[in-house]
Amino acid sequence: DSGVTQTPKHLITATGQRVTLRCSPRSGDLSVYWYQQSLDQGLQFLIQYYNGEERAKGNILERFSAQQFPDLHSELNLSSLELGDSALYFCASSPYPEGLGTGELFFGEGSRLTVL
Amino acid sequence: DQQVKQNSPSLSVQEGRISILNCDYTNSMFDYFLWYKKYPAEGPTFLISISSIKDKNEDGRFTVFLNKSAKHLSLHIVPSQPGDSAVYFCAAGFGNNDMRFGAGTRLTVKP
Repeated sequence: DSGVTQTPKHLITATGQRVTLRCSPRSGDLSVYWYQQSLDQGLQFLIQYYNGEERAKGNILERFSAQQFPDLHSELNLSSLELGDSALYFCASSPYPEGLGTGELFFGEGSRLTVL
Repeated sequence: DQQVKQNSPSLSVQEGRISILNCDYTNSMFDYFLWYKKYPAEGPTFLISISSIKDKNEDGRFTVFLNKSAKHLSLHIVPSQPGDSAVYFCAAGFGNNDMRFGAGTRLTVKP
């Protein structure tokens, strides 16, 4: 158990819909990362938050948005869903802000999104 | 942009033998490199890392080698055990904790 909690574990929805994925980081971790893993693909970095502020942005679509709340949990919002958005979405946390640590992240079990 | 590549989708080895997983990268600005292991229905877990200023890091049965001139990273597992069967992801990171992951290599260790 990494200590990172993601909900829901599975989600099935239709094209055009909007979903919200939730992540609770490990206790005390200030950084939250979101990654997308499509079939047979590596983990694609989407976005990072540190203590409520956006720190780094990767290949996140404009239809996607995220935020980190004062209690440090984070939500990833996916809208106008397309078939290609079907993927595993991982949240990870780290105690380090940028520039520190060696990149070790603690991952949740992921949220599997299926868009029909 | 595929800055980190794992060209072997799968690898099968016999228990007790050495497993060698390979990774290539294109960006010479990466500050550190990591390997993660992933079991089915679980998130990736950190295995071992190496700074860009080193060429080897060892932790028990796991050793990571970095060849900067070749932009190549490898993970050696000796001896391999059936419990090592998992998907292994290579990752490379910048100082801002922006990490790029490879597509993964599925390792099967046969008893």
